[in-house]
Amino acid sequence: GEDVEQSLFLSVREGDSSVINCTYTDSSSTYLYWYKQEPGAGLQLLTYIFSNMDMKQDQRLTVLLNKKDKHLSLRIADTQTGDSAIYFCAESSHARQLTFGSGTQLTVLP
Amino acid sequence: NAGVMQNPRHLVRRRGQEARLRCSPMKGHSHVYWYRQLPEEGLKFMVYLQKENIIDESGMPKERFSAEFPKEGPSILRIQQVVRGDSAAYFCASSPTGSSTEAFFGQGTRLTVV
Repeated sequence: GEDVEQSLFLSVREGDSSVINCTYTDSSSTYLYWYKQEPGAGLQLLTYIFSNMDMKQDQRLTVLLNKKDKHLSLRIADTQTGDSAIYFCAESSHARQLTFGSGTQLTVLP
Repeated sequence: NAGVMQNPRHLVRRRGQEARLRCSPMKGHSHVYWYRQLPEEGLKFMVYLQKENIIDESGMPKERFSAEFPKEGPSILRIQQVVRGDSAAYFCASSPTGSSTEAFFGQGTRLTVV
């Protein structure tokens, strides 16, 4: 079945860039997503990328997709303390149900 | 337009009781997904419903779990005879078209079975 893998933890200093990585196995993935989850809250869709794209930028967020290696990354520029959260990578084959990774806990240090 | 509303936010049940989780989609959204998040894990798909229809229940446990999305009212996820392993956060997401690119998540119901 489909599998999505992420590293569990990342710490960065305020003002630095954060890069969160994700790999997936389903070659039929058509959409790849990044969600943010703050403590006790639901998931907030940050951005998504269609599989025929290799990059998408939205303000401080840059998503890179290497379809050949099935590797997705999320770069957050000028990371702030408010960016501390769990970030989930997810994929879907037809923009229907999502398959999520286990999440990366991002800690931003002052 | 209120977001996706889930209630209750926290639910405590004793083993063997029933748990009913409610999800009111955003206005104009007729598609609902339910996901379960076990502690320190990602969300796992359970079921996808459109008004009055179950479209995909491939992620639902075969026994004790059921879901509905009636013509009127919220979507309900029902867990009968709960066990400790059912303790988790249950999230629903609603979408106007079924596409996850347009889906919004609720804040979840945290079920604790004691």
